[in-house]
Amino acid sequence: EVQLVQSGAEVKKPGESLKISCKGSGYSFTDYWIGWVRQMPGKGLEWMGIIYPGDSDTRYSPSFQGQVTISADRSINTAYLQWSSLKASDTAMYYCARPQVQQLVHAFDIWGQGTMVAVSS
Amino acid sequence: EIVMTQSPATLSVSPGERVTLSCRASQSVRSNLAWYQQKPGQAPRLLIYGASTRGTGISARFSGSGSGTEFTLTISSLQSEDFAVYYCLQYNDWPPATFGQGTKVEIK
Repeated sequence: EVQLVQSGAEVKKPGESLKISCKGSGYSFTDYWIGWVRQMPGKGLEWMGIIYPGDSDTRYSPSFQGQVTISADRSINTAYLQWSSLKASDTAMYYCARPQVQQLVHAFDIWGQGTMVAVSS
Repeated sequence: EIVMTQSPATLSVSPGERVTLSCRASQSVRSNLAWYQQKPGQAPRLLIYGASTRGTGISARFSGSGSGTEFTLTISSLQSEDFAVYYCLQYNDWPPATFGQGTKVEIK
């Protein structure tokens, strides 16, 4: 079964750092891009950025460039989303997702279960 | 960045009705358009990709049409499990790919 399993919910304080993970299984991890999508409470979906684990090619939405870092460790089939200094406005559900076509940035058809990040003093 | 605009924001319908949701792109995305369904507490589910191809296991009551800048998702006969929020996503021009703001389909 193809699946993405994300790390658990996090509660952090402003200014703290955080790295959340997304582990792929059931497919060739290095052949598919993995993207990250933000959903703030009660709001819509926002495309943050995407990484190709095969060569670590990473692209960001201008809205998120410099605010987060996307990375991947292909030895353990895991992608990451990290912050160096969290803000209250980073409070959201974060999803990782895989496009349905290998080697292409395409429609996401496999989604992780989401990681809730809450940032509050 | 391509802006995706969905209409209406909210649709109040009765079970069994035919529903049409719209998505407009600020510039052509060819047929690189997907539709998603999201229910509370769940990740989005892919319904349609390539503007008109149903995803794996998706009921035939869901259909998509359009190309270029104008797209439509039609639900032929709304079932109780279809009450949800629907998003379009263009993946023709990235980064970033861009989602519409969503249409909520609620019970009338």
